[in-house]
Amino acid sequence: RKEVEQDPGPFNVPEGATVAFNCTYSNSASQSFFWYRQDCRKEPKLLMSVYSSGNEDGRFTAQLNRASQYISLLIRDSKLSDSATYLCVVNWPGGFKTIFGAGTRLFVKA
Amino acid sequence: DGGITQSPKYLFRKEGQNVTLSCEQNLNHDAMYWYRQDPGQGLRLIYYSQIVNDFQKGDIAEGYSVSREKKESFPLTVTSAQKNPTAFYLCASSIRSMEGAVFGNEQFFGPGTRLTVL
Repeated sequence: RKEVEQDPGPFNVPEGATVAFNCTYSNSASQSFFWYRQDCRKEPKLLMSVYSSGNEDGRFTAQLNRASQYISLLIRDSKLSDSATYLCVVNWPGGFKTIFGAGTRLFVKA
Repeated sequence: DGGITQSPKYLFRKEGQNVTLSCEQNLNHDAMYWYRQDPGQGLRLIYYSQIVNDFQKGDIAEGYSVSREKKESFPLTVTSAQKNPTAFYLCASSIRSMEGAVFGNEQFFGPGTRLTVL
């Protein structure tokens, strides 16, 4: 099992749709989780931090399910500008280790 | 404006040459990191530094070297020993290191350097 695993997609959705991405992680003791957005040939940018059960910021909601060891990102009312790759990031406990998922590609179409 | 800068944006190197990638931050962050990203893959950690004059190897340190003489600067040298150096290199910083920290360890990235070996 990969340490952090994401569905690579791509997800193709129309404007206004709701889309959800899942990310699973293998270390049950992990405590810090993040979602980053990465545009083509650009650097990743922090979208949301998830420390407890979840977090919400406008159209974006992140949820953490510790029992099943996954975090999800929900995007409501998708915009064309949401088209990007979304990276799941998990902090490994017991020493320095940050694991980046390979990313989920999203295309939002008019 | 606070942020992280990397230079150059694009770099071309001949085989057998060493090159140094610059990374500077004015966020007053303690921790700094270097990652490599290859097409379709996640970021892989090369080196990280939690404090000035200290740094540790990441998962793929072979063929790379770093220094951390100042809090603001964390340059990466890609040596001729790196077998496949063509990649997108990203520098990041965080208020504190991931090690032992639960909060406040979000990483912020510079714009990256694309290195191509000719």
